[in-house]
Amino acid sequence: QQQVKQSPQSLIVQKGGISIINCAYENTAFDYFPWYQQFPGKGPALLIAIRPDVSEKKEGRFTISFNKSAKQFSLHIMDSQPGDSATYFCAARVSGGYQKVTFGIGTKLQVIP
Amino acid sequence: SAVISQKPSRDICQRGTSLTIQCQVDSQVTMMFWYRQQPGQSLTLIATANQGSEATYESGFVIDKFPISRPNLTFSTLTVSNMSPEDSSIYLCSVGWRRGGLNDEQFFGPGTRLTVL
Repeated sequence: QQQVKQSPQSLIVQKGGISIINCAYENTAFDYFPWYQQFPGKGPALLIAIRPDVSEKKEGRFTISFNKSAKQFSLHIMDSQPGDSATYFCAARVSGGYQKVTFGIGTKLQVIP
Repeated sequence: SAVISQKPSRDICQRGTSLTIQCQVDSQVTMMFWYRQQPGQSLTLIATANQGSEATYESGFVIDKFPISRPNLTFSTLTVSNMSPEDSSIYLCSVGWRRGGLNDEQFFGPGTRLTVL
């Protein structure tokens, strides 16, 4: 059972464009939604995260939009750069407990010059 | 944050053999986890490594296949036993602190890329 559905699985964006990755979740107990960025040969690194009590969080060129009623959230990368080319994972977690994180399938982003 | 190292970074192994992967953290952490990332796939939690007691395994993973040790708060090992080509994956160590905060984070090591022939 895939509890966090992520799309698209691959994305090609022109430099300077907006990259958008969408995720949907099923478990209403999830209350923390991080995004991870993974470069080839590296482990995932936390990029930005949001809790469901806010609808949007922005950090630099990266913005998370959150729609609690629809159980959906998305990552927007503004002014995409070739250095943003990586695989992005959305994830969800229930706070407390032993912090098990459920990951989406990942989106391979390629930003072309 | 934490600096996490894994050894080996990659290995090529023969079917039927076992490989032990080490995870070392530069500071004491509350939580240590082991994940598997199959080629082109997402991350799947194998188990939570518990200090001084048996690891907690996720559905589909068993101790006989993936024995885990955690002798202290900065070190853990994962063994992939009796390997088959289906075990070819990246194995990732992850750590975190349960400070009780709502935003307690997990940090990932660089991974161990395993190829089984």
